[in-house]
Amino acid sequence: GAGVSQSPSNKVTEKGKDVELRCDPISGHTALYWYRQSLGQGLEFLIYFQGNSAPDKSGLPSDRFSAERTGGSVSTLTIQRTQQEDSAVYLCASSLYFGSTGELFFGEGSRLTVL
Amino acid sequence: AQSVTQPDIHITVSEGASLELRCNYSYGATPYLFWYVQSPGQGLQLLLKYFSGDTLVQGIKGFEAEFKRSQSSFNLRKPSVHWSDAAEYFCASTGTASKLTFGTGTRLQVTL
Repeated sequence: GAGVSQSPSNKVTEKGKDVELRCDPISGHTALYWYRQSLGQGLEFLIYFQGNSAPDKSGLPSDRFSAERTGGSVSTLTIQRTQQEDSAVYLCASSLYFGSTGELFFGEGSRLTVL
Repeated sequence: AQSVTQPDIHITVSEGASLELRCNYSYGATPYLFWYVQSPGQGLQLLLKYFSGDTLVQGIKGFEAEFKRSQSSFNLRKPSVHWSDAAEYFCASTGTASKLTFGTGTRLQVTL
């Protein structure tokens, strides 16, 4: 596609349920990033992928969070046993390659609300 | 640790007035610096970036930013603001061309 695509755009779930958020990066972009945007908190780095591997998982808040990327393309961020503090907008971005002068192309985000 | 500070949470300017959004970074060496804009319901878009060389960089939509090493700042400016500039602006840095560290953002409101 022309840009980074994320789905769902909105997700409301009950506390304790698992959720999956999907990111489809720009075709040909080898690097993919997940950020979390909470009200008043700016953007918090979660994880990045270079190809299918994730060299830096340092931003994942807890072991309830995991992410994978297959075929060097689509990525899925999974949150298990969701908590209310997980409510945020989850942003995905891609770039041509890791370290490519910082120009990340962002999707519109997936807004997660945990009741 | 690397950090980015945007001291102004919310700024209101009149259409046609000049604008300056502040950004300070914390990093031992010269970082790579960026400004992104996020319009309501949209993803972030890169406005401009600084790596080295001329400390005044031009970006899209008439924006510019000046890198000042002595002040550890990278402030964003625009001579005349348009109502369509209302959005949230994020400053970001990276020290080794790795993951970006973002500031908490400045929300710009433009009055007519």
